[in-house]
Amino acid sequence: EAGVAQSPRYKIIEKRQSVAFWCNPISGHATLYWYQQILGQGPKLLIQFQNNGVVDDSQLPKDRFSAERLKGVDSTLKIQPAKLEDSAVYLCASSRDRGGEQFFGPGTRLTVL
Amino acid sequence: SQQGEEDPQALSIQEGENATMNCSYKTSINNLQWYRQNSGRGLVHLILIRSNEREKHSGRLRVTLDTSKKSSSLLITASRAADTASYFCATDAGFSGTYKYIFGTGTRLKVLA
Repeated sequence: EAGVAQSPRYKIIEKRQSVAFWCNPISGHATLYWYQQILGQGPKLLIQFQNNGVVDDSQLPKDRFSAERLKGVDSTLKIQPAKLEDSAVYLCASSRDRGGEQFFGPGTRLTVL
Repeated sequence: SQQGEEDPQALSIQEGENATMNCSYKTSINNLQWYRQNSGRGLVHLILIRSNEREKHSGRLRVTLDTSKKSSSLLITASRAADTASYFCATDAGFSGTYKYIFGTGTRLKVLA
């Protein structure tokens, strides 16, 4: 089966600009996750969807970050406006259902200058 | 604060030796998962162990779980250079139904040929 797809793979922006990331999970996977991974740290969960509903977004900086999963399939994560500390790899993952094995995409490496 | 903390932070061994890394967590869990991350393949799921299980095997991997001590260990036997990677444990916070996974800071394993 095809894996989790993410785009773009790399993005460089100036601070205060906006950026959006796209994720296409594995077909049939109900649960979708967005993680932020800062260099040298483990992934940090930003938001978790079950189908097209939000299960957890407690660690999402809602003043600047937003995410949606329309029709329970693809998802987009947006940052507006970006700050220097948002420089990280943004990982999308999906699983068949909550609590199962997560399949990760290749990630988007964001650099904020 | 981190739910899962891996120990040691870094480990260097010779090819053929065994590698053991540990994960400690703070709250009750539904399950615990181990992941590997290297530059070539990104984050890959290794093994999932449920809270009512004590030990699981997968190929050269052996995972144990001690819920009384809130700890888990990952043993890689007969290590290979290809095992060089960062290893993370991911624990769900145990909140009913959410399966909110928190990753530790990881153990960086280097296997010398």
